[in-house]
Amino acid sequence: EDQVTQSPEALRLQEGESSSLNCSYTVSGLRGLFWYRQDPGKGPEFLFTLYSAGEEKEKERLKATLTKKESFLHITAPKPEDSATYLCAVASGNTGKLIFGQGTTLQVKP
Amino acid sequence: KAGVTQTPRYLIKTRGQQVTLSCSPISGHRSVSWYQQTPGQGLQFLFEYFSETQRNKGNFPGRFSGRQFSNSRSEMNVSTLELGDSALYLCASSPGAGFTEAFFGQGTRLTVV
Repeated sequence: EDQVTQSPEALRLQEGESSSLNCSYTVSGLRGLFWYRQDPGKGPEFLFTLYSAGEEKEKERLKATLTKKESFLHITAPKPEDSATYLCAVASGNTGKLIFGQGTTLQVKP
Repeated sequence: KAGVTQTPRYLIKTRGQQVTLSCSPISGHRSVSWYQQTPGQGLQFLFEYFSETQRNKGNFPGRFSGRQFSNSRSEMNVSTLELGDSALYLCASSPGAGFTEAFFGQGTRLTVV
C-alpha cells in the first residue's frame, strides 16, 4: 500500500538553528515527490519536485534531497517567517494519485 | 498570472443539505484536482479532472461528485451532508494530467452543523 510518513510531527527551532525534516515513503512506481509549505488557513504552496534518487533542489534557505526510500528538507539558518507546516507528497505511478504525509509543523523562535 | 481561485471561502451548512464548491484553475492549466483536509486525516485525494474527464477518484462515498467544464473550471458537489464532512476543501490545478506540479487555491472551509 502506498504510504508517506513525515517526521517529526512538530519541530521547534531557534532562529539560525539548522535542521532537517524527513519524509519516508513506500510507493509503487514513484513518479515524483513534492514538497509544499502550508500556512494556517491557507492552501499549500508548492516548493519542490524531485523525480529520481540523488536529485537535489534549493530555494533560499531550503534544500530538498531524495533517496530511494526517503526525502529530506534541510532548513539552513531558519528565520521566524519559515514557521509553517511542511507537507510531503508522492505521486504513485500505479494509482495515479498524489498521496500526502501528515506534515511537520515547524516553529522558529526569534 | 492569477492563481487558483476557490469560492466561496467559507460556508456553513446543515446536516442533510447539499453544497457546491467552485474552482477556477490557473489560466492555461487543464487539470484540476480536489482534496479534503482535516486535522485527523490530513490531505486526502478526492478526484482529478482533465479536459472535462474524471481521470482518477479517491476513496470517498458517492455523495462526493465533481465535474469540469470546457473552460477548465471545476465544481465539486457534496450531497446529504454529514457532520464529518466539515473540512477544508482544496482545489489544485496543474498544466497537464498526472504527475506535474500542483498549485493549490486557498480552499473552502465547510462547516456542517
